[in-house]
Amino acid sequence: DGGITQSPKYLFRKEGQNVTLSCEQNLNHDAMYWYRQDPGQGLRLIYYSQIVNDFQKGDIAEGYSVSREKKESFPLTVTSAQKNPTAFYLCASSIVADANYGYTFGSGTRLTVV
Amino acid sequence: GQQLNQSPQSMFIQEGEDVSMNCTSSSIFNTWLWYKQDPGEGPVLLIALYKAGELTSNGRLTAQFGITRKDSFLNISASIPSDVGIYFCAGPYLNNAGNMLTFGGGTRLMVKP
Repeated sequence: DGGITQSPKYLFRKEGQNVTLSCEQNLNHDAMYWYRQDPGQGLRLIYYSQIVNDFQKGDIAEGYSVSREKKESFPLTVTSAQKNPTAFYLCASSIVADANYGYTFGSGTRLTVV
Repeated sequence: GQQLNQSPQSMFIQEGEDVSMNCTSSSIFNTWLWYKQDPGEGPVLLIALYKAGELTSNGRLTAQFGITRKDSFLNISASIPSDVGIYFCAGPYLNNAGNMLTFGGGTRLMVKP
């Protein structure tokens, strides 16, 4: 079955460490997105990529980095520069330039800084 | 991006009650999407609306595309405990990178058995 997979589901990080969240899709979608969700809050866009080897900053990109070396994969690195990284992170994908059909979301990764 | 305002922000209802929520914008949208997010999971698309005035149902859920194209409504009839979650509206807008979705802040629904 086609879908979008995020791993791990739960992640713990010590302060000062970088950590990478995985996102893989087999939907043949060109566009991929990363969102951050804080408790009781909506979705805030971190980074997005419309095509391989290209990505754009979203509304809250500071302290995060991404890469898009393959169409299927869009990993997100939470760096030590992100001051408040504890949150629920959601990856999504879509047919490029056709958001009218919506995004497909993964099941999320909950990151906790300990 | 464009702003979508959802109301109410949260609802606490008794099982069996009907639920109504809405989403408004100062800009016109040509598509309205409604998502549901179960606790601890990613949002899932419930209903898509593509025409002003359109009324679309998905089981106990009914959504309407407002005539002004600046609002949309979602109704849930005879709520059950598994309706618990956050409901998001979304609509596409054009920016310099292409066609992107903007999301409302969500309506959190809690159902008391």
